[in-house]
Amino acid sequence: AQRVTQPEKLLSVFKGAPVELKCNYSYSGSPELFWYVQYSRQRLQLLLRHISRESIKGFTADLNKGETSFHLKKPFAQEEDSAMYYCALSKMGRRALTFGSGTRLQVQP
Amino acid sequence: EAGVAQSPRYKIIEKRQSVAFWCNPISGHATLYWYQQILGQGPKLLIQFQNNGVVDDSQLPKDRFSAERLKGVDSTLKIQPAKLEDSAVYLCASSQLRQGVFYGYTFGSGTRLTVV
Repeated sequence: AQRVTQPEKLLSVFKGAPVELKCNYSYSGSPELFWYVQYSRQRLQLLLRHISRESIKGFTADLNKGETSFHLKKPFAQEEDSAMYYCALSKMGRRALTFGSGTRLQVQP
Repeated sequence: EAGVAQSPRYKIIEKRQSVAFWCNPISGHATLYWYQQILGQGPKLLIQFQNNGVVDDSQLPKDRFSAERLKGVDSTLKIQPAKLEDSAVYLCASSQLRQGVFYGYTFGSGTRLTVV
């Protein structure tokens, strides 16, 4: 069975500092990886997906199949980045997601 | 486009009572999901519908949980009887393919259930 691990429950950084939210997964096949974000009092929403290879709000994530990781990075954190971030995996061609337990990012002024 | 609608937003019940949640997905989204999110954890899939058929209900506790999606649009999730450990946020989501590509879900705002 697939599993997603986010080792940090809380990550606190200062504005302008680099951010890396860690995500490791276990799955024997070819996964699709996603990052979802939940801002305060808002719905869970898609931030980015590995297939798109895009940068959203300055965030990027690279799938490393050798290390089975999909870490989320941003070079300069902003206060508005403060939120709960979830890494998620789905089997290629399927839609059901397996989520990690989430990391709360706090960006201090 | 209108989002995924869920009701009620909050519900408090006593253990052994029954409760039902309602979800209206985005128009045209064929796939609908119910997730359970316990405090401090990530969402966990309970059931996935494709139109009005069940695709995956392997993690649904079928002795007490049931779900239906009549006519392939709205869906209801029911718990009967509720246990204390069912206290959680119940999230509904829907998705579609665009030109054969899956772009992820649109989530509803969730129903927060407290069982006392």
